[in-house]
Amino acid sequence: DSGVTQTPKHLITATGQRVTLRCSPRSGDLSVYWYQQSLDQGLQFLIQYYNGEERAKGNILERFSAQQFPDLHSELNLSSLELGDSALYFCASSPGTGEKLFFGSGTQLSVL
Amino acid sequence: TQLLEQSPQFLSIQEGENLTVYCNSSSVFSSLQWYRQEPGEGPVLLVTVVTGGEVKKLKRLTFQFGDARKDSSLHITAAQPGDTGLYLCAGGGWTGGFKTIFGAGTRLFVKA
Repeated sequence: DSGVTQTPKHLITATGQRVTLRCSPRSGDLSVYWYQQSLDQGLQFLIQYYNGEERAKGNILERFSAQQFPDLHSELNLSSLELGDSALYFCASSPGTGEKLFFGSGTQLSVL
Repeated sequence: TQLLEQSPQFLSIQEGENLTVYCNSSSVFSSLQWYRQEPGEGPVLLVTVVTGGEVKKLKRLTFQFGDARKDSSLHITAAQPGDTGLYLCAGGGWTGGFKTIFGAGTRLFVKA
């Protein structure tokens, strides 16, 4: 058990809908990262937050947004969903800059 | 754009054999990590290497970081079925914030 909790584990929705994925980092970790994993793209970095502030951005679509709350949990919001958004979404946390990432078990998103 | 290329993409071997997987890039990384991922789970950190030429051993696994900090290898001695999984290398560096990017992975299957 990595100590990182992600909910829900599975999510099935329709195109055009909006969903929210939730992540609770390990106790004491200030950084939260979001990654998308699909069969053809591998593990793609989306965005990082550190102590409530956005620190780094990767290949995150404008339809996607995230935030980190004062209690350090984070949410990833995906809107106007398309079939191609179907993927595993992982949250990871680290104490600092990200040289050691601890991953949650992921949320499997299926857009039908 | 920083990219990490892993080879081979897929490897199927018999229990007891040795193997090496590679991770290469044209970019220099401040650190490089190896993770192992099993189906339905998030990646789990195996090792972090930070110094060019560094060699780290973890039981039957030997990790090496290239002198120029652009490449790495993972050697497994006497592979066991429990080594089966997706091996991912990840590189960290400062490009508009500290980002950790992942290679596509080597999928290893060890047959009993």
